[in-house]
Amino acid sequence: TQLLEQSPQFLSIQEGENLTVYCNSSSVFSSLQWYRQEPGEGPVLLVTVVTGGEVKKLKRLTFQFGDARKDSSLHITAAQPGDTGLYLCAGIPDSNYQLIWGAGTKLIIKP
Amino acid sequence: NAGVTQTPKFRVLKTGQSMTLLCAQDMNHEYMYWYRQDPGMGLRLIHYSVGEGTTAKGEVPDGYNVSRLKKQNFLLGLESAAPSQTSVYFCASSRLRGARSINEQFFGPGTRLTVL
Repeated sequence: TQLLEQSPQFLSIQEGENLTVYCNSSSVFSSLQWYRQEPGEGPVLLVTVVTGGEVKKLKRLTFQFGDARKDSSLHITAAQPGDTGLYLCAGIPDSNYQLIWGAGTKLIIKP
Repeated sequence: NAGVTQTPKFRVLKTGQSMTLLCAQDMNHEYMYWYRQDPGMGLRLIHYSVGEGTTAKGEVPDGYNVSRLKKQNFLLGLESAAPSQTSVYFCASSRLRGARSINEQFFGPGTRLTVL
């Protein structure tokens, strides 16, 4: 069974702090996406990474795809209350074509 | 351009009742998906469709049926609801993708279903 494990499951920090959340697997992925889901809404795509070692920045958010394409991280600098939400990673394993999802990291940024 | 819409937003059923959830997209996407989301378990794929008139089973298809008679609509049916089907249901759509490529999925706002 190919799994995407996200950690931590839950994170609550103060506004202005930095944080990193992780998406890990024992499988190699051809590509990986990060979504953010706000309460009462569906997930919205933040970024897609496709190359091992790739780093993408979206304002204060930095996404990295591991060199071996088995893991990814999301780093937020100077977190703001608007960053609050459920962060989901999803990817397509090299061994098949089925998109799989992690269980998500629930992030709360306190003012 | 409304994107992906779902009806209804909320529903309460009694065990054994049936219902149909409707998903509509106006982006001319080929692919459509039905997911359920439960606490701590992320999104689980129920059924999906790669085009009008075609459907396929996902990870958790039992107890659900789907139909895609029109390209823009994807219906999810529960023939005999069970408490285990209490969940939030999301519909999504995406453009046609290659075998190893990954396209953005656009999600609807969800339907919160409670089965008593």
